[in-house]
Order: sequence, then C-alpha cells, then structure tokens
Amino acid sequence: GAGVSQSPSNKVTEKGKDVELRCDPISGHTALYWYRQRLGQGLEFLIYFQGNSAPDKSGLPSDRFSAERTGESVSTLTIQRTQQEDSAVYLCASSLDTGGRSPLHFGNGTRLTVT
Amino acid sequence: GENVEQHPSTLSVQEGDSAVIKCTYSDSASNYFPWYKQELGKRPQLIIDIRSNVGEKKDQRIAVTLNKTAKHFSLHITETQPEDSAVYFCAGNSGYSTLTFGKGTMLLVSP
Repeated sequence: GAGVSQSPSNKVTEKGKDVELRCDPISGHTALYWYRQRLGQGLEFLIYFQGNSAPDKSGLPSDRFSAERTGESVSTLTIQRTQQEDSAVYLCASSLDTGGRSPLHFGNGTRLTVT
Repeated sequence: GENVEQHPSTLSVQEGDSAVIKCTYSDSASNYFPWYKQELGKRPQLIIDIRSNVGEKKDQRIAVTLNKTAKHFSLHITETQPEDSAVYFCAGNSGYSTLTFGKGTMLLVSP
C-alpha cells in the first residue's frame, strides 16, 4: 500500500468492553510503533516492534494493554476492560529499519471514545 | 533512556516573521533528530531531519541546526505563512532504538 493503514478510523465503546485496533504498515518496513495521543497532548510511546527481536513494551500503561505483530506485517493493539481515560487517538507508525535511525511514517490513527 | 525537552509550548508570530523552536536531548549517543508537523486533526508528518554528522540542514524556508556538544537542536522557519500554523514535534533516537518525542510546540501564524 501507499502508506500506513489503520482501522477502524473511529471506535466508540462502552466502559469495560475490550477493543482491538489494527495497523497495516508500509510493506518492507521492519519497525512498527504504537503511540497514544490524548486531545491537545503530545505523542505517548506505547510499544515498539523491531523485526524478529523482542518488542519494547516499556510504554504500555497497564496490563490491560497488549499488542502483537506477526513477522513484519499487521499489528493489533488490544485494550481490555476499557476505561474512560483510554479515550484518545491511537497512532501507528512504521519505519524502514530499526534503531530509530529512519523517519517514521504515521497512519491516520484510530480515535477511541470510551463512554 | 532519552529525554527530549521542547520549548516553547506555544509560539505566536505575524505572517512573514521567523519562528524558532528549540529542543534539548539527554543521550549523547543519539544520532538522528527528525521534526514532525501535525495539522489539526491530521497525522504527524516529517518535515525535515538531521543526523549527527552534520550541523545544519536546509529545505526552502525550513532549516534545522544541531549542536552536539550542547545537546540541542532547533527548527527555524523563515517567512512564515498562515499554513505553517500547526503543532511541531522534535524527536531524538534513544539508545539506537525508539524515537522519543518532545511535548510539541503549537505555532500560530497570524495574517
């Protein structure tokens, strides 16, 4: 594809429900990142997948958050038992190589609203 | 890990003026520093980047300078236009792994 694709673009869910967000990176990009952006705030790092190495999960805010990636393809971010403070835009980005040495290409994000 | 500080948090200028946004970083091993522009409701997009082997890079009205000794880098926008209004984020790579972002600068360019 031409860019990073995220789905759904918008998600409204009730407090306590689980949600799954999907990211389809640019083909051939080894590195994949998830960020959270609350309204009017900066980019909060969540998790980083770097090829076949173990992911860097140091940014996940609680054990309700988890993410998976199969090889160098699609990634899913799962939030269990959603809370209102989880409401935010979740941005996925991919880059050609690991090590933070290449530009990140962001998707359009998933806007999550927890009611 | 890397810590990136960005100033100011908001910047208002008149059209045609210059704008400067500054960032400092903590990890002396960092060697890649990109800048992203995020317009309201849109995704961040790369506007310019610099690697540690150069001190300055220009692209039309945009330039970035890097001082490795002082561990700071700056974004310079000349002849600002209303369409430059956006949030700008700096970033540095931390320990050759992830990119750490600054908290962002909201730039407002008044006609």
